Amino acid sequence: QKEVEQNSGPLSVPEGAIASLNCTYSDRGSQSFFWYRQYSGKSPELIMSIYSNGDKEDGRFTAQLNKASQYVSLLIRDSQPSDSATYLCAVKTGANNLFFGTGTRLTVIP
Amino acid sequence: GAGVSQSPSNKVTEKGKDVELRCDPISGHTALYWYRQSLGQGLEFLIYFQGNSAPDKSGLPSDRFSAERTGGSVSTLTIQRTQQEDSAVYLCASSYRLAGEETQYFGPGTRLLVL
Repeated sequence: QKEVEQNSGPLSVPEGAIASLNCTYSDRGSQSFFWYRQYSGKSPELIMSIYSNGDKEDGRFTAQLNKASQYVSLLIRDSQPSDSATYLCAVKTGANNLFFGTGTRLTVIP
Repeated sequence: GAGVSQSPSNKVTEKGKDVELRCDPISGHTALYWYRQSLGQGLEFLIYFQGNSAPDKSGLPSDRFSAERTGGSVSTLTIQRTQQEDSAVYLCASSYRLAGEETQYFGPGTRLLVL
């Protein structure tokens, strides 16, 4: 079983809709959770981090964490074509090791 | 300010040669990570440096891979006797922690092609 699992997609949503990206992880002791956005041919950029159960909102982005279910999600409201990218979920286990999922490719259709 | 920089941006080498990849982290960032990303794959953790502590090498795939970080700043990832399966994008990231939250910044990566 992989440490971090994501649906590879592609996920297509119309412009203005809510995009929902999901991630599960295997290490119940994980404490830190991150969402990165990676445009094709570019490096990942951090868009959200979350450390405690519940929701964390930043602009159009909301991260949701449920440690009991070992589940973390990212909601993108009012999706824009510029949001089209691969979204990587990352989970920090132990002190140092950051495990990444393989990413979900999102396409926002104008 | 300047972000994380990596050099070279592209490297083509022949199987069996050694390569050195360089990472300049953001000034003041104490943590530095190396990852590699193969085509269509997620990021694979390689090694982690934190300040003057011993590095976490648990992600290095074989003893052909090594890394060092001099003076708590610049880091070099060395791959000896390169193999074709080493072809990937090698990404470096540095991070800082503020109020319990860690923010990680990635460099542009080095695209390595082993022929």
